[in-house]
Amino acid sequence: DQQVKQNSPSLSVQEGRISILNCDYTNSMFDYFLWYKKYPAEGPTFLISISSIKDKNEDGRFTVFLNKSAKHLSLHIVPSQPGDSAVYFCAASAWGAGNQFYFGTGTSLTVIP
Amino acid sequence: KAGVTQTPRYLIKTRGQQVTLSCSPISGHRSVSWYQQTPGQGLQFLFEYFSETQRNKGNFPGRFSGRQFSNSRSEMNVSTLELGDSALYLCASSLGGTSLNNEQFFGPGTRLTVL
Repeated sequence: DQQVKQNSPSLSVQEGRISILNCDYTNSMFDYFLWYKKYPAEGPTFLISISSIKDKNEDGRFTVFLNKSAKHLSLHIVPSQPGDSAVYFCAASAWGAGNQFYFGTGTSLTVIP
Repeated sequence: KAGVTQTPRYLIKTRGQQVTLSCSPISGHRSVSWYQQTPGQGLQFLFEYFSETQRNKGNFPGRFSGRQFSNSRSEMNVSTLELGDSALYLCASSLGGTSLNNEQFFGPGTRLTVL
């Protein structure tokens, strides 16, 4: 049962444009969400997070939006750079339910120079 | 500050064998989680150890087991290997508390191939 879903396996964007990666979840108990970036042959690297008390969190070129009513979050990268080409995973957890994180299947982003 | 380390990085085994993977967390981190990554499946949670106790467990058969030592280092064991166990096994460490800002930091993974 995939509680966190990334329905787009891949995305291609021109350099300088906006990249929007989407993530949906089914468990209404989730209240903490994270995005990770993964290059081949490396472990995922934490990118940005958001708690359910917020609907937006920004860090430089990266912004995460959370729509709790739709159980949807998105990661915006502006402007996109070739070095952003990687697989992006979203993850979710429920506070008080231990330290278990549920990951999506990932979206492979390619930024075309 | 040293990151999460995993050994070995690559491993080739045959069906029926057993394997032990090791993970050293970031200094001060008490929680270690293990994940299996296969193409198209994302990261599947195996289990989490905190202060030498298994605190969470995913939906994997009993052939997958783990433990954590007093220095927070963790090992994962897979017995009676099957071809489908071929995957990248990732270890992640975190402070492990119940605060919301509890990001997990991942190691580079161990690539296991079962022949």
